[in-house]
Amino acid sequence: SQTIHQWPATLVQPVGSPLSLECTVEGTSNPNLYWYRQAAGRGLQLLFYSVGIGQISSEVPQNLSASRPQDRQFILSSKKLLLSDSGFYLCASGTGGLEDTQYFGPGTRLTVL
Amino acid sequence: SQKIEQNSEALNIQEGKTATLTCNYTNYSPAYLQWYRQDPGRGPVFLLLIRENEKEKRKERLKVTFDTTLKQSLFHITASQPADSATYLCASVGTSYGKLTFGQGTILTVHP
Repeated sequence: SQTIHQWPATLVQPVGSPLSLECTVEGTSNPNLYWYRQAAGRGLQLLFYSVGIGQISSEVPQNLSASRPQDRQFILSSKKLLLSDSGFYLCASGTGGLEDTQYFGPGTRLTVL
Repeated sequence: SQKIEQNSEALNIQEGKTATLTCNYTNYSPAYLQWYRQDPGRGPVFLLLIRENEKEKRKERLKVTFDTTLKQSLFHITASQPADSATYLCASVGTSYGKLTFGQGTILTVHP
């Protein structure tokens, strides 16, 4: 089965600072990869998804970006964080088919002060 | 636009009772619905998938139904235990393969 690694687990950053969250996947090849954000008490909001190396689709306009430099590596970045970027960030992996179920990482709790 | 909604933000039940969670969808007809469990501070974990032509699916104490007429899925946990306390999320694939749309989740608390 797949294992999704995310780091760091928690992060406190000042407004205006840069961000880099990393996600790596084990146990599969050529997965679809996803970045979600979850606000407190809310559902999951899809931010980015990728079907292959260098292929990124953005779901929500924002000051975040994503990159996929390797097949099983997915990075979420920002040049300047906003207060509204605070949240729980989850990386997920899936095959992308209609019956695709997604495997999620442990998440990163980001607090922007 | 397609929407998937879980009616209850929170559900409190006594141990041993059956918990029933509801998921409704509008403006589309998903071929599949999925249910995930999320513990506090953790990522969701997949539980069950049900297809539109499957009225019911079971896994141990879990049962999921899919009613395309009512545009609704029900998720049941029988003989509930305090360890079942968590947030339960329903999700479906929309028009694009692999892109799941999630409901906002229902927080289930099972009291001893």
